[in-house]
Amino acid sequence: SSELTQDPAVSVALGQTVRITCQGDSLRSYYATWYQQKPGQAPVLVIYGKNNRPSGIPDRFSGSSSGNTASLTITGAQAEDEADYYCNSRDSSGNHVVFGGGTKLTVL
Amino acid sequence: QVQLVQSGAEVKKPGASVKVSCKASGYTFTSYDINWVRQATGQGLEWMGWMNPDSGNTGYAQKFQGRATMTRDTSISTAYMELSSLISEDTAVYYCARGPPGITHYYMDVWGKGTTVTVSS
Repeated sequence: SSELTQDPAVSVALGQTVRITCQGDSLRSYYATWYQQKPGQAPVLVIYGKNNRPSGIPDRFSGSSSGNTASLTITGAQAEDEADYYCNSRDSSGNHVVFGGGTKLTVL
Repeated sequence: QVQLVQSGAEVKKPGASVKVSCKASGYTFTSYDINWVRQATGQGLEWMGWMNPDSGNTGYAQKFQGRATMTRDTSISTAYMELSSLISEDTAVYYCARGPPGITHYYMDVWGKGTTVTVSS
């Protein structure tokens, strides 16, 4: 079982805002990292640290954190944002890494 | 450009071992950890462990302790992950991914395309 918990599926209307959440005790100590994965492709880093986007990631993606919950927000979701999203962080010991179970985002 | 190129697909019998390679280019191989992450069909990402290519130090998820071995050859900027005593549940895509060593809020910024390992009798 994963130490990070995500909702299995979320949907959003085209152009609307959606928040994907990740819960876990380790998130009280560590920021979550977020990855996007499209079918048949490797994951892509979209948010890391407090709220950092790698080069090439649109600014409609943002990250935030409160207590044991981290959130990935997509402001103005596009059709190409339809994908699986995974959070990860160090585990509670700090020595290993854990992933959430993933959230399938559907853009309607 | 920075990239990780993984070895090709493998088919193994139960009880056998598999060794997957991950060749780094476009950056200094010894400056970043290499993580191994696997994904069974239709399932989520599962972190297996990491290796610091500079020191050779490794850390494994408890599930893979004693069955996975991560090594490297710095002369050819290549990391390896060997998984032994394979069972059908090890059938998955195995990814290598680069991560900055020692930072508090860990992330993996470059991923290989994945290596499909199929375990079947």
